Amino acid sequence: GQNIDQPTEMTATEGAIVQINCTYQTSGFNGLFWYQQHAGEAPTFLSYNVLDGLEEKGRFSSFLSRSKGYSYLLLKELQMKDSASYLCAVTPPNSGGYQKVTFGTGTKLQVIP
Amino acid sequence: EPEVTQTPSHQVTQMGQEVILRCVPISNHLYFYWYRQILGQKVEFLVSFYNNEISEKSEIFDDQFSVERPDGSNFTLKIRSTKLEDSAMYFCASSSGTGYEQYFGPGTRLTVT
Repeated sequence: GQNIDQPTEMTATEGAIVQINCTYQTSGFNGLFWYQQHAGEAPTFLSYNVLDGLEEKGRFSSFLSRSKGYSYLLLKELQMKDSASYLCAVTPPNSGGYQKVTFGTGTKLQVIP
Repeated sequence: EPEVTQTPSHQVTQMGQEVILRCVPISNHLYFYWYRQILGQKVEFLVSFYNNEISEKSEIFDDQFSVERPDGSNFTLKIRSTKLEDSAMYFCASSSGTGYEQYFGPGTRLTVT
């Protein structure tokens, strides 16, 4: 099975940096997704990490440590529109293109002025 | 930009009735998925579909559920005899064979009364 832990809620200030952590315990592991979900909307893809290390994409960066079962999403220069839930999700090994993605419960981020 | 579409946006049905939720994936995508999200809870994988057959399914996807790709564009989820606990947002997603990003549709909110 797969167990994913994320903080339930976080608050950060506009213009600041925030790090959202995710830990997972899985019977097998292929890669880790981060998705953003605004209230009442569909998830949208942010990143997918397979290898250890940091991947940067504009204001968002994602880090993975496979040995520690740990990932984080780093959001820089926070904007009010970044207020959303951030979903950590993992995929099992050998799933190829058809991936049984297991989502965590998500971290609800509130950005305040 | 191509997108996944879903109809209807909201479906209300009585317990025991059959419902069909419809999705039009992105046209050149090969892998299709259904997820559900009960209000306030996490996104849950239901099923993945490739090459006109189910690739993987979760424990939720029991005999009451079925999927079909009746033509070259639509991808449907059928629930044969709805229960109150089937009330949720149902998301369709699709992905290409070359990448891991899954593109989600806007969802169908199913309310079973």
